Amino acid sequence: GQSLEQPSEVTAVEGAIVQINCTYQTSGFYGLSWYQQHDGGAPTFLSYNALDGLEETGRFSSFLSRSDSYGYLLLQELQMKDSASYFCAVRMNYGGATNKLIFGTGTLLAVQP
Amino acid sequence: DSGVTQTPKHLITATGQRVTLRCSPRSGDLSVYWYQQSLDQGLQFLIQYYNGEERAKGNILERFSAQQFPDLHSELNLSSLELGDSALYFCASSPPGLAEDTGELFFGEGSRLTVL
Repeated sequence: GQSLEQPSEVTAVEGAIVQINCTYQTSGFYGLSWYQQHDGGAPTFLSYNALDGLEETGRFSSFLSRSDSYGYLLLQELQMKDSASYFCAVRMNYGGATNKLIFGTGTLLAVQP
Repeated sequence: DSGVTQTPKHLITATGQRVTLRCSPRSGDLSVYWYQQSLDQGLQFLIQYYNGEERAKGNILERFSAQQFPDLHSELNLSSLELGDSALYFCASSPPGLAEDTGELFFGEGSRLTVL
């Protein structure tokens, strides 16, 4: 089986930095993705890490440590529009050449003025 | 707009009934994925298709079934509906290789099913 754990809620103020952690247990791990979802809308892709280290995309960065089965999403210069749910997702081997994307339960980020 | 189209957007039905949710992937995408999101829950992987063939299964109930047609659109059939089936059902698609390389899926806006 597989499991992913993330905090259920995080609160931060506008302009601050926030880190959302994700720990996972799975076999056949390929990589870790992050998605953003506003108010039950379509989840949108933010980033992906297949190798250890930090990936930066504008105000958002994502980190992976394969040896620790751990990753995080870092959001800088928080804006009110960043208030949303953030999901980590593990890409894992299903069998043969097939893989599947399994999502965590999500972290609700509330950005306060 | 991701380019993935789902219909209907909203559906209200009664217990014991059967519904069909439809998904049209982005042009050129061969893979279709179905996810279920219950209230305040994560996205539960149901099933994945690639070019008409089932590729991977998740926690899909036996009362649920899906298929991908030659034109690549997909349908998720939910039967003998129960109150607990009330949820958002998302379809996602990806072009060949992209999900494997980057884990990126393109999601539709979802179909909100309410079972009364």
